[in-house]
Amino acid sequence: AQTVTQSQPEMSVQEAETVTLSCTYDTSESDYYLFWYKQPPSRQMILVIRQEAYKQQNATENRFSVNFQKAAKSFSLKISDSQLGDAAMYFCAYRSAGQGGKLIFGQGTELSVKP
Amino acid sequence: NAGVTQTPKFQVLKTGQSMTLQCAQDMNHEYMSWYRQDPGMGLRLIHYSVGAGITDQGEVPNGYNVSRSTTEDFPLRLLSAAPSQTSVYFCASSSGQTNEKLFFGSGTQLSVL
Repeated sequence: AQTVTQSQPEMSVQEAETVTLSCTYDTSESDYYLFWYKQPPSRQMILVIRQEAYKQQNATENRFSVNFQKAAKSFSLKISDSQLGDAAMYFCAYRSAGQGGKLIFGQGTELSVKP
Repeated sequence: NAGVTQTPKFQVLKTGQSMTLQCAQDMNHEYMSWYRQDPGMGLRLIHYSVGAGITDQGEVPNGYNVSRSTTEDFPLRLLSAAPSQTSVYFCASSSGQTNEKLFFGSGTQLSVL
């Protein structure tokens, strides 16, 4: 069975600085997708970024980028120029190819941003 | 286009009571799923469906029932609520296409006393 591990329950970053959230996963599959979701206090689940395992190039979305290391089964999220609105819980998630709707989530990392 | 609509947003139950959490989507998505969120454990899959009339168990199905009579609706039933079912529940849907993201409802905060 696949597992996702986020080993940092809490992280803190100064406004305008850069922070990296860690995520590792375990799988024997070769075709899968990885996601980072943001959950602000409103409880809404917001997709931040996604990565296809077959793509070697790391995904980027504005200030958000990932470091995808397939062999090491690592999928970290880098937030550049952190803003107060980035404060939230962040979840890493895994999905097998062809398993639409079935995500495996990590435990989450609570990110605080200091002004 | 409302997306995924969950009701109610908050609910308090007594142990042994039953209730149904409603979930509806208007995007004609085939895939629908229910997750529960507990502190320190992320979101865990309860049940999911790949289309009308088809459901299957997820990681934590005990104590919950689902059915999918239409593409739009995917209700979650608690037959006899227990304090261990105190949690935040999320319904989600997707088209099932390659790398398609999940669309989440706004969640239901359930407390079982």
